[in-house]
Amino acid sequence: KNEVEQSPQNLTAQEGEFITINCSYSVGISALHWLQQHPGGGIVSLFMLSSGKKKHGRLIATINIQEKHSSLHITASHPRDSAVYICAVRSWGGGGADGLTFGKGTHLIIQP
Amino acid sequence: EPEVTQTPSHQVTQMGQEVILRCVPISNHLYFYWYRQILGQKVEFLVSFYNNEISEKSEIFDDQFSVERPDGSNFTLKIRSTKLEDSAMYFCASKLGRGMGNQPQHFGDGTRLSIL
Repeated sequence: KNEVEQSPQNLTAQEGEFITINCSYSVGISALHWLQQHPGGGIVSLFMLSSGKKKHGRLIATINIQEKHSSLHITASHPRDSAVYICAVRSWGGGGADGLTFGKGTHLIIQP
Repeated sequence: EPEVTQTPSHQVTQMGQEVILRCVPISNHLYFYWYRQILGQKVEFLVSFYNNEISEKSEIFDDQFSVERPDGSNFTLKIRSTKLEDSAMYFCASKLGRGMGNQPQHFGDGTRLSIL
């Protein structure tokens, strides 16, 4: 069973700061998702990656498969980035129908 | 952009009653999932569904739960005799398919289920 750990659990920063959220997992994976959950509860998929790095606007996600570690970075953070950021992984071996294993999330608050 | 839609957004039910949560996955997607999130806790996998049958289920998905794809568009989660501890946010997700490499899961906005 894959154990997904995120750090920090809570993060408060000032607008404009560079943000890093970390995720580590215990068992080899076929894919890792970064998800965003807003106060209303809905979940939005930000990235899915299995190697290297992806960038979308001010968001960058990286993954190191050997070290079983991924990071989500937010550049020039803004109050609208305030949300819970969740790391979720799909473990090897189960085929395409595998459910995801989730971390507890990082609660990010960006103050103006 | 196509979306996964879930209804209702909030369901209040008496303990012991049956409840059906509904989802309309993205139309050309082949894999379907249900997850739940108890308040203050992490999201947990319940079940995945492909080719009109359950592909995988977690230990949470016991005999009180069932899933169905009654027609070409809906994907439902039924809880037969609800308990207080079933109160949670339930998320539906769908994915395009295997044959095109890794595909992301797309999530609905969730149904908040409150058991009284």
